[in-house]
Amino acid sequence: QSALTQPPSASGSPGQSVTISCTGTSSDVGAYNYVSWYQQHPGKAPKLLIFEVNKRPSGVPDRFSGSKSGNTAALTVSGLQAEDEADYYCSSYAGSNNLGVFGTGTKVTVL
Amino acid sequence: QITLKESGPTLVKPTQTLTLTCTFSGFSLSSSGVGVGWVRQPPGKALEWLALIYWDDDKRYRPSLRSRLTITKDTSKNQVVLTMTNVDPVDTATYHCAHKPSGTYGVLGYWGQGVMVTVSS
Repeated sequence: QSALTQPPSASGSPGQSVTISCTGTSSDVGAYNYVSWYQQHPGKAPKLLIFEVNKRPSGVPDRFSGSKSGNTAALTVSGLQAEDEADYYCSSYAGSNNLGVFGTGTKVTVL
Repeated sequence: QITLKESGPTLVKPTQTLTLTCTFSGFSLSSSGVGVGWVRQPPGKALEWLALIYWDDDKRYRPSLRSRLTITKDTSKNQVVLTMTNVDPVDTATYHCAHKPSGTYGVLGYWGQGVMVTVSS
């Protein structure tokens, strides 16, 4: 299982939107609607933001939204805030006989 | 409230065996569909799945590390243990355990803070 491909970095000004892509294969992202997104601040544990492509756990602001088309998923952060500056990782289920697979990670900078 | 906490050595010598313990609360690993996974993150690098154990003792391992990893659970103690044999400096990383909620696929809902393990002589 190869890591999912994400852009190394993304940026936006406060109030703007930023979208992060996550490209996998027909064996992971393309095969299942089980894509998750995690936010990780420096020195902290990852935090679940999105699961099952576009569902948000309780407490996650609706500024965070997810989507998927074919083998590529995306996370959009709308109304960027300073505290959104962090690393973001996508992850996909890869079948019952496998572990999941994480993305390469994207550092989001709020300008 | 679900919490998880990793414990184990912070420094291990090459070729030794690393044993990490995840102690959790707020859920039962005997509940259908629940799992506990281990994920590591080398310094400055991305997250990597290592292993996952389900409520029914089914287990999954990272293929490239399958021969070196063992994951076990002690439901009565609310603990999951990950053992990695023959460690190498490339295994230097922060190791996290995390909760897989019932009814989800590939999701890690709650994470421990992690333990930084350095492999060095």
